[in-house]
Amino acid sequence: DAGVTQSPTHLIKTRGQQVTLRCSPISGHKSVSWYQQVLGQGPQFIFQYYEKEERGRGNFPDRFSARQFPNYSSELNVNALLLGDSALYLCASSFTVTGNTEAFFGQGTRLTVV
Amino acid sequence: GESVGLHLPTLSVQEGDNSIINCAYSNSASDYFIWYKQESGKGPQFIIDIRSNMDKRQGQRVTVLLNKTVKHLSLQIAATQPGDSAVYFCAESFQGAQKLVFGQGTRLTINP
Repeated sequence: DAGVTQSPTHLIKTRGQQVTLRCSPISGHKSVSWYQQVLGQGPQFIFQYYEKEERGRGNFPDRFSARQFPNYSSELNVNALLLGDSALYLCASSFTVTGNTEAFFGQGTRLTVV
Repeated sequence: GESVGLHLPTLSVQEGDNSIINCAYSNSASDYFIWYKQESGKGPQFIIDIRSNMDKRQGQRVTVLLNKTVKHLSLQIAATQPGDSAVYFCAESFQGAQKLVFGQGTRLTINP
C-alpha cells in the first residue's frame, strides 16, 4: 500500500515567487495536515483539512493557504516567498479528524528560497 | 508550547545497550502522545503512542512511559541497533485535535 506521497521532493524558488506543494494521503484517510520543519527543529503545524474544510490553523501568515480536494488530496500554497520559508514541508494523513489516531507523514518537500 | 531550540540534544550509546530518550511536554491538558523517528532526508516515522489514561505502553523493543505529574515522557529502546540512529521527536495533542506539537528532538547515535 502506498503511504503519504508528496510532490515535488525538492524545489528551488526565488524570493517573491509563489509555490504549490502537493500531497496525496493514504487511501481511506480523510484528514490531511501540513507542517513546516526548519533545519534543526521539530515540525510546526500549519493547517489541518478534513472533508475539504479547514479544521485548524497554526501561527503562520496569510501568505500560507491550503485546500483539500474531493479525493482528499491537498495542496499547500505559499505566496511572496521569503528566505525564511526555506524548510522541509511535511504532509500527514490520518483516518479521522477527531479522536486520538495515528498521523502518518510523507517524505516531505524540501523548499529552498534564494 | 511550540518546539524550540536550534541545537539538538545528542545521545550516544553502544550497539546492544538500552537507550532512554526523554521529553518534557508543554500542555498539561494534552491527552495523546506520540514518539516519532526521523532519519536524514525523510519524514517522521511513527514509533509508538500512548494516551493520557495510561502510564506505560510497550511495543517491539520500545517502551513509552508517561508521567503526567511532571509532564514527562520517555522512550526506551532495548538492544539498540545501528538502524536506530536518527532524530527522535515526542509530540503531543489535545482532545484529538490532530494538531501535533513537537518537542525539540534528540539525536541518537549508535556506536559500533
